Amino acid sequence: EAGVAQSPRYKIIEKRQSVAFWCNPISGHATLYWYQQILGQGPKLLIQFQNNGVVDDSQLPKDRFSAERLKGVDSTLKIQPAKLEDSAVYLCASGTGFQETQYFGPGTRLLVL
Amino acid sequence: KQEVTQIPAALSVPEGENLVLNCSFTDSAIYNLQWFRQDPGKGLTSLLLIQSSQREQTSGRLNASLDKSSGRSTLYIAASQPGDSATYLCAVYTGGFKTIFGAGTRLFVKA
Repeated sequence: EAGVAQSPRYKIIEKRQSVAFWCNPISGHATLYWYQQILGQGPKLLIQFQNNGVVDDSQLPKDRFSAERLKGVDSTLKIQPAKLEDSAVYLCASGTGFQETQYFGPGTRLLVL
Repeated sequence: KQEVTQIPAALSVPEGENLVLNCSFTDSAIYNLQWFRQDPGKGLTSLLLIQSSQREQTSGRLNASLDKSSGRSTLYIAASQPGDSATYLCAVYTGGFKTIFGAGTRLFVKA
């Protein structure tokens, strides 16, 4: 069974530029999560979807971050414009339900200069 | 507000030693608790998931326990090996669809 796929794996941009990350969850998984992990910290949940609907985005900085999950499968997370403090690893996870195991992708490492 | 704490932040042990990693949370109203392993530069790998109605889960050399009333979970690793070296993270799933992680314990097992 294929795992959660993410791309790109690495991205370097300058502040005020925009960037987008892509996630393809495990086939059949209804729930999808985006996390931000700053070096030395645990992941912080940004947004979670159930199929193509947003369940919670209370920790998403909506003035600069946006996410969508079209057709309830793939998802994209966008940052526009990026700030220095957005430098982090962005992790995508999926699962069969909210109280079930979350399976993580390898992450996208973002560096904002 | 739910907070998750993991102590110690780092741990170094000789190969073969049994060890315990600790995770504490401030609000006992959780649906489940999950332990993950993270290798440098990699994503997270799920190790064990304990539902709120359960007391423990076992997988191979790993055993995780949950005491909701005291807000604590432990991950027991038996007969540690150098390949167990990684960061171990715990996460609680709470009401309101929140998953909250601790900062992790960095484990180094010396050969």
